[in-house]
Amino acid sequence: SQKIEQNSEALNIQEGKTATLTCNYTNYSPAYLQWYRQDPGRGPVFLLLIRENEKEKRKERLKVTFDTTLKQSLFHITASQPADSATYLCALDMGSNYQLIWGAGTKLIIKP
Amino acid sequence: SQTIHQWPATLVQPVGSPLSLECTVEGTSNPNLYWYRQAAGRGLQLLFYSVGIGQISSEVPQNLSASRPQDRQFILSSKKLLLSDSGFYLCAWIGLAGSAGELFFGEGSRLTVL
Repeated sequence: SQKIEQNSEALNIQEGKTATLTCNYTNYSPAYLQWYRQDPGRGPVFLLLIRENEKEKRKERLKVTFDTTLKQSLFHITASQPADSATYLCALDMGSNYQLIWGAGTKLIIKP
Repeated sequence: SQTIHQWPATLVQPVGSPLSLECTVEGTSNPNLYWYRQAAGRGLQLLFYSVGIGQISSEVPQNLSASRPQDRQFILSSKKLLLSDSGFYLCAWIGLAGSAGELFFGEGSRLTVL
């Protein structure tokens, strides 16, 4: 079955630097891959979606890449700010059955 | 604009007691609706999804059930809670039918079963 892995250890980044989070998956590539932000005690909030035929997607300070050869997506936050501190989840959309397969998330801490 | 409301936000229930969590969506019609559970350190687990009134698909066999009595209302229930039912429950809807759509989540319901 499809599995998805995100770094379970918290990522500590100095303010102003670029934060890079990793999402790895096994087996076959998803039709789409999504990234969400989740603050403590809140529901996840959608950030970006990238399709399997797209290499890169950008939105303001956010950038997502999708490498189907490596079976990996990278999520970048440039010029990071303490307000970017949160848990970031990736989710695979296999293109059917209305389901997403979710990673456990990586906690990002931006230090001032 | 579309909004999603979920309640109660927090509840503490004894083992064996019933449960009812409610979710309503505003500003859209005929949404696909989802119930997820999130355990600490684990990915979101899909419990139920619904594509229309009275249509419920269960993804995980358990003592929970779901109902969709109205187009924009989704209810998660249990007749007798277990300790293992503790967790963070999230309701969500998707604007586009099927894939390539983002999920919009409610604020979540934190359930503690004692």
